[in-house]
Amino acid sequence: AQKVTQAQTEISVVEKEDVTLDCVYETRDTTYYLFWYKQPPSGELVFLIRRNSFDEQNEISGRYSWNFQKSTSSFNFTITASQVVDSAVYFCALSEVRTALIFGKGTTLSVSS
Amino acid sequence: AAGVIQSPRHLIKEKRETATLKCYPIPRHDTVYWYQQGPGQDPQFLISFYEKMQSDKGSIPDRFSAQQFSDYHSELNMSSLELGDSALYFCASSRQGRSSANTEAFFGQGTRLTVV
Repeated sequence: AQKVTQAQTEISVVEKEDVTLDCVYETRDTTYYLFWYKQPPSGELVFLIRRNSFDEQNEISGRYSWNFQKSTSSFNFTITASQVVDSAVYFCALSEVRTALIFGKGTTLSVSS
Repeated sequence: AAGVIQSPRHLIKEKRETATLKCYPIPRHDTVYWYQQGPGQDPQFLISFYEKMQSDKGSIPDRFSAQQFSDYHSELNMSSLELGDSALYFCASSRQGRSSANTEAFFGQGTRLTVV
């Protein structure tokens, strides 16, 4: 069975601090897909990144970076120089081949000025 | 760019009433998913369709049903509504094609259902 664990329920930082959101996953399949979504206070779910299990390359997109490590079944998300607009709930999600996304419980990030 | 459209955005119903939520996927997307997100919870998968056929089923109550039509839009029908059905209902779409790769799912803005 697939499972996603986001152990950090809430994180509070001050603007310009770096913050890392942890994600640990479980799956028996060798082919799987990992995702991060952002849910701002307005409620919509915004897609951030998708990674497949064969691609362990880390990725950087502006202030966002992701570290995928199969050895520890982790797919962590770092925001560099955080901003107030980064305040949101962040969900890590997992899917196996042709299955729906299973979400973690989410991490609420609060960035204060 | 076109996004997933959900209607209505807000809906208030009384207990034991029925509700129908609609979803219009991104053009050329062949897969639709429905999720339910209770207050402070993560989205829970309800049901999905691939090329108008049900492809996967999650924790969808028997009181709920869904279908995907020939134009690829989907509807979630909810009957005998209960207070606990109050939640944000998301529809998402993706383009799977014939490959086995799971492409990213794009979510609509959700329908906020309140049962009173």
